[in-house]
Amino acid sequence: QVHLQQWGAGLLKPSETLSLTCTFSNGSFSGDYWSWIRQPPGKGLEWIGEIKHSGSTSYNPSLKSRITISVDTSKKYLSLKLSSVTAADTAVYYCARRWPWFEPWGQGTLVTVSS
Amino acid sequence: DIVMTQSPDSLAVSLGERATINCKSSQTVFYNSNNKNYLGWYQQKPGQPPKLLIYWASTREFGVPDRFSGSGSGTDFTLTISSLQAEDVAVYYCQQYYSSPYSFGQGTKLEIK
Repeated sequence: QVHLQQWGAGLLKPSETLSLTCTFSNGSFSGDYWSWIRQPPGKGLEWIGEIKHSGSTSYNPSLKSRITISVDTSKKYLSLKLSSVTAADTAVYYCARRWPWFEPWGQGTLVTVSS
Repeated sequence: DIVMTQSPDSLAVSLGERATINCKSSQTVFYNSNNKNYLGWYQQKPGQPPKLLIYWASTREFGVPDRFSGSGSGTDFTLTISSLQAEDVAVYYCQQYYSSPYSFGQGTKLEIK
């Protein structure tokens, strides 16, 4: 069974760049899409974007100008960078496999943006 | 972009009773080419990531109790819990994977009456 583990900095200042990494075990990176999804405290879920093992990406237009999603297939690493963060980017960030529904999910990383 | 709207926002049901959550998409999520609805349902408990319950609108994920069922087609969908158990208290989300950007409903909070 595929298992996702994620990590990254949990406290950022406005204008900094959010950086998160997700790795998976017990599965293959190829053939599926690998997504990032976020959830502001007490609110709903927002799809951020995804990448295929080939490196092709698809981003949510609402965040597209600030997002970079990359993959290192040899290390089975998935990465998210979100630039110029503000308080509105405070959320729990999840990585997830999409095939085409989202399953499994990482455990989530709370990222707080505060001065 | 496809907008997903759930109703109600919150729901209180007695133990053993039926719970029904509705989800409506702003455009169809049904693919004629394979006769499938690109719609999933998730359950989220506090401090946990969402858990997939239903995919293709009506197929239960492995290990999900059979009291959970999904129905509907096109733009209107329903998640039904036939006999509410205490462990079903959670927030439930529908989600379309028909087209990018993939979108979720706003969530329905299910509580015990």
